[in-house]
Amino acid sequence: KNEVEQSPQNLTAQEGEFITINCSYSVGISALHWLQQHPGGGIVSLFMLSSGKKKHGRLIATINIQEKHSSLHITASHPRDSAVYICAVQANAGGTSYGKLTFGQGTILTVHP
Amino acid sequence: NAGVMQNPRHLVRRRGQEARLRCSPMKGHSHVYWYRQLPEEGLKFMVYLQKENIIDESGMPKERFSAEFPKEGPSILRIQQVVRGDSAAYFCASSSQNGYTFGSGTRLTVV
Repeated sequence: KNEVEQSPQNLTAQEGEFITINCSYSVGISALHWLQQHPGGGIVSLFMLSSGKKKHGRLIATINIQEKHSSLHITASHPRDSAVYICAVQANAGGTSYGKLTFGQGTILTVHP
Repeated sequence: NAGVMQNPRHLVRRRGQEARLRCSPMKGHSHVYWYRQLPEEGLKFMVYLQKENIIDESGMPKERFSAEFPKEGPSILRIQQVVRGDSAAYFCASSSQNGYTFGSGTRLTVV
């Protein structure tokens, strides 16, 4: 079993739909990251969370530390949101916020007009 | 602030040659990480460095791969005697207390 599991692996939506991507992890963490990658492109950091909820534009990320679970929500989805969304966890590093990331396999999101 | 700079963006090497990938972290960041993304696979950790120190190299292949982050200049990931299986995207990231920033990656193709 991978340390970081994402679901679904593939997600297709119509423009305007509300989208949820889930991430479960099995190790103690200092932070959880949500990343976005376009085909052949670089990696953009969307959120870094250690508790609660963060919002940026149409994107919302939540984390439940007790249940070891996080969700990424996209409201009013748009074709330009089509990308791979990756959950990554940063292990406890002696109380610091530095450290390597362990990644989920990613969720391929396609939003049709 | 130009972010994390990686070069080259694309690199083609023949089998047996050496590949050198460079990464300049964000200004003020002294923690650098290298990750590899093999075709159709997820991202995997390779090595974590601070200036002049390797903190964690548990993800580095035992042979042919090395990394450094000197006091002056960029971090270098060096792959000696490349093989076709080394073809991948190599991403560098740097971090501060506020989070991670990734570079655009170097796409290495071994022919």
